[in-house]
Amino acid sequence: EIVLTQSPGTLSLSPGERATLSCRASQSVSSSYLAWYQQKPGQAPRLLIYGASSRATGIPDRFSGSGSGTDFTLTISRLEPEDLAVYHCQQYGTSPLTFGGGTKVEIK
Amino acid sequence: EVQLVESGGGLVKAGGSLRLSCAASTFTLSTYNMNWVRQAPGKGLEWVSSISRSSSFIFYADTLKGRFTISRDNAKNSLYLQMDSLTAEDTAVYYCTRSPAGYCTSNSCQNWFDLWGQGTLVTVSS
Repeated sequence: EIVLTQSPGTLSLSPGERATLSCRASQSVSSSYLAWYQQKPGQAPRLLIYGASSRATGIPDRFSGSGSGTDFTLTISRLEPEDLAVYHCQQYGTSPLTFGGGTKVEIK
Repeated sequence: EVQLVESGGGLVKAGGSLRLSCAASTFTLSTYNMNWVRQAPGKGLEWVSSISRSSSFIFYADTLKGRFTISRDNAKNSLYLQMDSLTAEDTAVYYCTRSPAGYCTSNSCQNWFDLWGQGTLVTVSS
């Protein structure tokens, strides 16, 4: 099973700042089959990124994904107050499908 | 509006059973692989099960040990999860999710999740 480790656990930034979230895999994620999801308080997750770097429909371009192999990054270029959420990464290249533990983004 | 609506959650005693349903609205379920993902209170997301478009391929998390059964009825545009021998560790919000363009082989379904339902809470009392 591929274990995904997300860091930091919590990120506290001010509006307008850049957020960099990390997702590290215990072994290489085949074909960059990695997705990112945003989960706001009390809501279901929402797809942000798939294929490591492709934005889902309707996702603002301030969200971007990068990486390959075992190291992946989600970047929020300019934080907005509504970006308060937990962000989850997921690999879908190898069974079983696995998620990281999440990074909580707080807005100062 | 394109959406998934889960139902069937509730409070059940350890050892009991529940059947979750998920209804697809304004899209055709048969063109997508479908999945269940769960989230225990205050915890992260956990993949539970996947089923291919025609039910040819079905996969489960190893931790379920054969207690859960996923199925679908494309004619009814619905997905199901039969959960038996429930334990307190199964307490979670269960999400129905859709996978676009993911494909399945005999080893796995390479699914990411582009649409999530609102979730249904399953509470197992011990």
